[in-house]
Amino acid sequence: AQKITQTQPGMFVQEKEAVTLDCTYDTSDPSYGLFWYKQPSSGEMIFLIYQGSYDQQNATEGRYSLNFQKARKSANLVISASQLGDSAMYFCAMRPIYNQGGKLIFGQGTELSVKP
Amino acid sequence: DAGVTQSPTHLIKTRGQQVTLRCSPKSGHDTVSWYQQALGQGPQFIFQYYEEEERQRGNFPDRFSGHQFPNYSSELNVNALLLGDSALYLCASSWGHLATNEKLFFGSGTQLSVL
Repeated sequence: AQKITQTQPGMFVQEKEAVTLDCTYDTSDPSYGLFWYKQPSSGEMIFLIYQGSYDQQNATEGRYSLNFQKARKSANLVISASQLGDSAMYFCAMRPIYNQGGKLIFGQGTELSVKP
Repeated sequence: DAGVTQSPTHLIKTRGQQVTLRCSPKSGHDTVSWYQQALGQGPQFIFQYYEEEERQRGNFPDRFSGHQFPNYSSELNVNALLLGDSALYLCASSWGHLATNEKLFFGSGTQLSVL
């Protein structure tokens, strides 16, 4: 079965510090895509970063980077220099390559709170 | 450039009623997916529409149905509402038949409460 696990229900970080949000996944597919989305209180899911299972390098997008360890089936999100506006729910998601459709499998999410 | 828009933003229904939620995709997008997000949970895939046809479906009963119009907008219909249908319903849009790395653009959702 395909599954995303986020074991941190809530996290606190001091403004300007870095924080790592954990994500592990379970799939038997040889190829897949991994995503991180941010969901502020407004409800909209905002795309942050993507990592393909065959990508040689870890993905980076501005202050976001993805620590991808394929053998451990983990895809942790690192946010550098946290800002107050980073306070939100963060979801890790996976799309199996066979799917090639709209289906993303999401984890339970981690609520991040940035302290001033 | 308008993003994904959903209406209404909030809705209150009673058990047994029927509800219709609406979604307009981001400009240039032709594919719409629907997700259900229960309180404290991650979103769960309901189904996807492309070229006015349901292309994929998640593990949801037939009470959940949808439609896509020629202008690519979409509706989600839920019949015989149950208390457990209370959730945030998210619409996501994208262009064409998705590559693995294609990101979805989400709307702000419709909060449905079933009493």
